[in-house]
This record gives sequence, C-alpha cells and structure tokens, in this order.
Amino acid sequence: DVKVTQSSRYLVKRTGEKVFLECVQDMDHENMFWYRQDPGLGLRLIYFSYDVKMKEKGDIPEGYSVSREKKERFSLILESASTNQTSMYLCASSSDSFDQPQHFGDGTRLSIL
Amino acid sequence: AQSVTQLGSHVSVSEGALVLLRCNYSSSVPPYLFWYVQYPNQGLQLLLKYTSAATLVKGINGFEAEFKKSETSFHLTKPSAHMSDAAEYFCAVSDRFMRFGAGTRLTVKP
Repeated sequence: DVKVTQSSRYLVKRTGEKVFLECVQDMDHENMFWYRQDPGLGLRLIYFSYDVKMKEKGDIPEGYSVSREKKERFSLILESASTNQTSMYLCASSSDSFDQPQHFGDGTRLSIL
Repeated sequence: AQSVTQLGSHVSVSEGALVLLRCNYSSSVPPYLFWYVQYPNQGLQLLLKYTSAATLVKGINGFEAEFKKSETSFHLTKPSAHMSDAAEYFCAVSDRFMRFGAGTRLTVKP
C-alpha cells in the first residue's frame, strides 16, 4: 500500500512565524501535491511538484512556497503565517498519469494564533 | 478547465436505505472521474474511479457509480446504508490537475 506521511497531525503557531509542513511518500511517485481544505470549499490546490526541484503554482499559492529536494519529500512553507492560513492541509502523491488516483496523507490541522 | 459540482452539501439517510450522492462534471473531453471518502480526522481514500473501460464502476465498501455522458453525471450509490458509511464524500475530475467538488457530508440515522 502507498503510504503518505505528514509530519504533524496538529500544529499551533503564532502570526508571523515561518511554518514548515513536511510530507513523505514511499511509492516512488513523480507527482506530489499540497492542498488546503476548508468547510464548504472542498480541496484547493496550493502547489504541485512533478519532479525533484520542479514545482508549479496551483489555485491559491499566495503566502506559500514549497521545496522538493528529494523525490519522496515535499515541504510546504508558510513564510510569515497569518490567521487566514488556519486550515487543514493535505498532502498527496500520484504516479505520472492522469488516470491514476492520488494518495493522501492524514492531514495537518494548522492553527495560527 | 474541467470541474465537478456536487449537489447537496449534506445528505441524511436511515440505516438500510439507499444512498445517492450526486456529481455532475464539466469536461470537453472524456474525463477521468473519481470518488473519494474522508472519515473524521483522516485524509481522503479512493472509493472508485472511472477511466472509460465501463460505465458502471464498482468500488470498495459496496459503493458503485454510473457514468452517464448524456447527463454529464457520475452519481455515487449504495443499496443499503450502514452506520459506518457516515463520512464526507468528494467527487473529482482529472486532467493535468485533479479538481475536487465541495464535498457531501453523509449522515446515517439508526
């Protein structure tokens, strides 16, 4: 089974802090994704990576950056956290084909105070 | 860009009743369609996927979905609801990116 592991289930940070969310997958997938999930809005794509050091902006990249130095690891960075970034963050991975499903981690519930 | 619309943010059924969760898609080409389920405090799990091999797709936990091109629909059904089916369900369409619907929360009453 594919395993996508997010480093923290719950995280509380303060406004202005730099926040790192880490994600690791064990299936040698080319693609990795970061989503934000808010009630009534479904999942919104923040960033997408299709290879090591390669990234593309999703629908809501403002206030976020990403890093992919190794194939199995994809990090989401909040450069200066703000209260409107309080949310559930989901990481996913998939192989390099549009008909393949994405595999999700359990999510990180981030609160910015 | 492709998109999906889920009709009904909340659906409530009695245990043993039919479950019907609605999803309509917008696509200019034959789509790849998916249904995912999310249990509380967990990530999304794949229920089933449509990739044009067959219009009726069977998934896990007794769920199935029928692709209807004429109606641009991909509704999810289960003949008999179980308490353990209570969760949030997401329909998704894939081209370069996967686009998710807003989700439907299913409640199952005893």
